[in-house]
Amino acid sequence: DQQVKQNSPSLSVQEGRISILNCDYTNSMFDYFLWYKKYPAEGPTFLISISSIKDKNEDGRFTVFLNKSAKHLSLHIVPSQPGDSAVYFCAASGTSGNTGKLIFGQGTTLQVKP
Amino acid sequence: ETGVTQTPRHLVMGMTNKKSLKCEQHLGHNAMYWYKQSAKKPLELMFVYNFKEQTENNSVPSRFSPECPNSSHLFLHLHTLQPEDSALYLCASSQPTDTDTQYFGPGTRLTVL
Repeated sequence: DQQVKQNSPSLSVQEGRISILNCDYTNSMFDYFLWYKKYPAEGPTFLISISSIKDKNEDGRFTVFLNKSAKHLSLHIVPSQPGDSAVYFCAASGTSGNTGKLIFGQGTTLQVKP
Repeated sequence: ETGVTQTPRHLVMGMTNKKSLKCEQHLGHNAMYWYKQSAKKPLELMFVYNFKEQTENNSVPSRFSPECPNSSHLFLHLHTLQPEDSALYLCASSQPTDTDTQYFGPGTRLTVL
């Protein structure tokens, strides 16, 4: 059973508008969440993260929101730029210690149109 | 070279072949990982190495055999693979004190005929 789900395989937004990517998880033991971005022919790169003790983390144009009661997190990109077009992966980490066991979602392909 | 490199970038092999994937990290990390990404599926962790010792094997079939001779190099030896093993194989590294922030290589696209 998939513990981290990104139910939207793709998203298209206009340049300058807000992009909202969503992620749901089922395991309440997850305590750290991350977003990775992947361009074609490259490996994923770390974008932003949030601890379960917070409900928001902001880094420039990127903000991650965490709703623990709903087991839901979202990534907001404002304003969206064509260079943001990529696949975005949500990932979660559990409380089993510093094991490096990240559980990834399937990814959402974001297209930002000029 | 900087970051995490992987060779080859593409590999086509028959089911009876033996091949190896290579990963090298130039970041001074001591934790390394192998992931598999099949079409339309999430990245799936296969193996974790910390300071050259395997600390995680995510129920990977024995036809995949990892090797970590030092903290900078990681290999994945492949033998008698199946067509369903065709996927993108990604290597990553991290500091052992921050294993959530992983740095990925570009991956090897493997096709098993």
